[in-house]
Amino acid sequence: QKEVEQDPGPLSVPEGAIVSLNCTYSNSAFQYFMWYRQYSRKGPELLMYTYSSGNKEDGRFTAQVDKSSKYISLFIRDSQPSDSATYLCAMTHTGRRALTFGSGTRLQVQP
Amino acid sequence: DVKVTQSSRYLVKRTGEKVFLECVQDMDHENMFWYRQDPGLGLRLIYFSYDVKMKEKGDIPEGYSVSREKKERFSLILESASTNQTSMYLCASSAPTGASYEQYFGPGTRLTVT
Repeated sequence: QKEVEQDPGPLSVPEGAIVSLNCTYSNSAFQYFMWYRQYSRKGPELLMYTYSSGNKEDGRFTAQVDKSSKYISLFIRDSQPSDSATYLCAMTHTGRRALTFGSGTRLQVQP
Repeated sequence: DVKVTQSSRYLVKRTGEKVFLECVQDMDHENMFWYRQDPGLGLRLIYFSYDVKMKEKGDIPEGYSVSREKKERFSLILESASTNQTSMYLCASSAPTGASYEQYFGPGTRLTVT
């Protein structure tokens, strides 16, 4: 079983829809939770980062962490065609330099 | 802006060849990483380095080696390329914070081994 599970999609939604992307994990030591966005033919870029449990909002994006359920989510409100990309969750803990990534969910927002 | 560059965007090599993938970062970052990305498997860590001449194995180091002679440069070496090493290779760097969650990635090198 992988340490981090993520539905690969693809997920296709109409412009303006609310998008929900999710990951589950098995390692209870993870404390730092990230969402990276990867456009086609580019490297991933950090989109949001959350420490421990709770919510974090940045414009149209909201990241949620539920450590008790080992479940993290990324919500995108008013989705735009420019949000079309692969979204990768990643996580780590203090003292560990490397990240553990999910397999990524490909999102397509239709105009 | 942090910039991570990789020597080639596309590379085609033959089975058994020795392959060098080069990565350079311009932000004086201590940590550098090599990942491979395959459909359905996500990013898997091959090796990382936390200082010049220092390296640690990641999750899938078999068939690979690395070299870090200068702080800004991290090389991935395929000693004898095989077809199962056909993949997208991504290099990343990060600052030495307590949890190096913000990694900066290069554009990737798509390697095909025939």
